[in-house]
Amino acid sequence: GNSVTQMEGPVTLSEEAFLTINCTYTATGYPSLFWYVQYPGEGLQLLLKATKADDKGSNKGFEATYRKETTSFHLEKGSVQVSDSAVYFCALSVFNGGSQGNLIFGKGTKLSVKP
Amino acid sequence: KAGVTQTPRYLIKTRGQQVTLSCSPISGHRSVSWYQQTPGQGLQFLFEYFSETQRNKGNFPGRFSGRQFSNSRSEMNVSTLELGDSALYLCASKPRTGVDNSPLHFGNGTRLTVT
Repeated sequence: GNSVTQMEGPVTLSEEAFLTINCTYTATGYPSLFWYVQYPGEGLQLLLKATKADDKGSNKGFEATYRKETTSFHLEKGSVQVSDSAVYFCALSVFNGGSQGNLIFGKGTKLSVKP
Repeated sequence: KAGVTQTPRYLIKTRGQQVTLSCSPISGHRSVSWYQQTPGQGLQFLFEYFSETQRNKGNFPGRFSGRQFSNSRSEMNVSTLELGDSALYLCASKPRTGVDNSPLHFGNGTRLTVT
């Protein structure tokens, strides 16, 4: 079946540190890959996406590259800020012969950035 | 443009009762999906509605149901509430269903507590 595995948190970093959150997936069909972010008390917001192999999604200094050979979509940021503190979710959606399925999420990784 | 609006924000119910949650999608969005978020299971897909028809359904018991109105607003209903139904229920909308990589736009959720 389709599934997403992401590194468990919490992750605590100092401001300006480098961030990597690992995400790997299992999918049939042709998955699109997403990173969503959830700030306290809010719903999820799309951070970035990639719809085919070797695509790089980027937004607000965050990047992730769709690696089909390693079935991965790791999230990176070169220099985190306190305002990046949130829960990050990796997700996939599978295209199966005409139907774009629902999002399948990883468990989420809580990031805390200290000043 | 107003975002996805969910009402109420908080609900407290007792076991055995039923509950109805409401979701107003972004104007022009016709696809509405519902997700359940719990600390143990993470984010799980409940169902998707488009043009007043359920298009996709997750693996939840029949106590969970939904509907969509002609103005694309959606409601979900949970009957015979159980303690395990305590969760954050998130609604998300996008312009259309089917072959579509447009991102989901999430509301801030309804926090349901069952006592």
